[in-house]
Amino acid sequence: QQPVQSPQAVILREGEDAVINCSSSKALYSVHWYRQKHGEAPVFLMILLKGGEQKGHEKISASFNEKKQQSSLYLTASQLSYSGTYFCGTELNAGNMLTFGGGTRLMVKP
Amino acid sequence: DAGVIQSPRHEVTEMGQEVTLRCKPISGHNSLFWYRQTMMRGLELLIYFNNNVPIDDSGMPEDRFSAKMPNASFSTLKIQPSEPRDSAVYFCASSFRSGDTEAFFGQGTRLTVV
Repeated sequence: QQPVQSPQAVILREGEDAVINCSSSKALYSVHWYRQKHGEAPVFLMILLKGGEQKGHEKISASFNEKKQQSSLYLTASQLSYSGTYFCGTELNAGNMLTFGGGTRLMVKP
Repeated sequence: DAGVIQSPRHEVTEMGQEVTLRCKPISGHNSLFWYRQTMMRGLELLIYFNNNVPIDDSGMPEDRFSAKMPNASFSTLKIQPSEPRDSAVYFCASSFRSGDTEAFFGQGTRLTVV
């Protein structure tokens, strides 16, 4: 049930854009995105429910393609503070357990 | 609210010893998750409680691991006996399961078994 994330790692220069993908082999109710900095706990970014909606959070946004069971996280004009590991978490049903992908390590360089 | 509180923050123990990790979820939250994080395996879900009842413990690696939630404000994860391969960061997270709410993570317990 664990979702699959790609790529595993990304290196960017400040101001560049990145896309992180998350896919599941099962029908999803929701997709959660979290960011974890080294030595800290994961911190919530956003939730997307089935329906193909897109959400935004500052210069970070995400979409959810219900038909493909895929979600993408878009980071535009990246900043140094965006560095960290990004995890997608998925739920198969409302109130179900939250299972995370393997993570994507993002490094933004000056 | 102080957030999800885990204790201890760091634990070093010898192989074969019993280890108990503790978690206090955010007041009002009715779902609680225990995760284990390692470099090799990432963030693994161990067990999920809803309204103090274990709903899914399929992620618990083996019988040496057990978890309890005696009331809405407290949960424990116990490893007995501990082994070096149990070394990891253990996170507890809680949420209010209305369907589209975030999970809040504690700061984690870094466990080292020597």
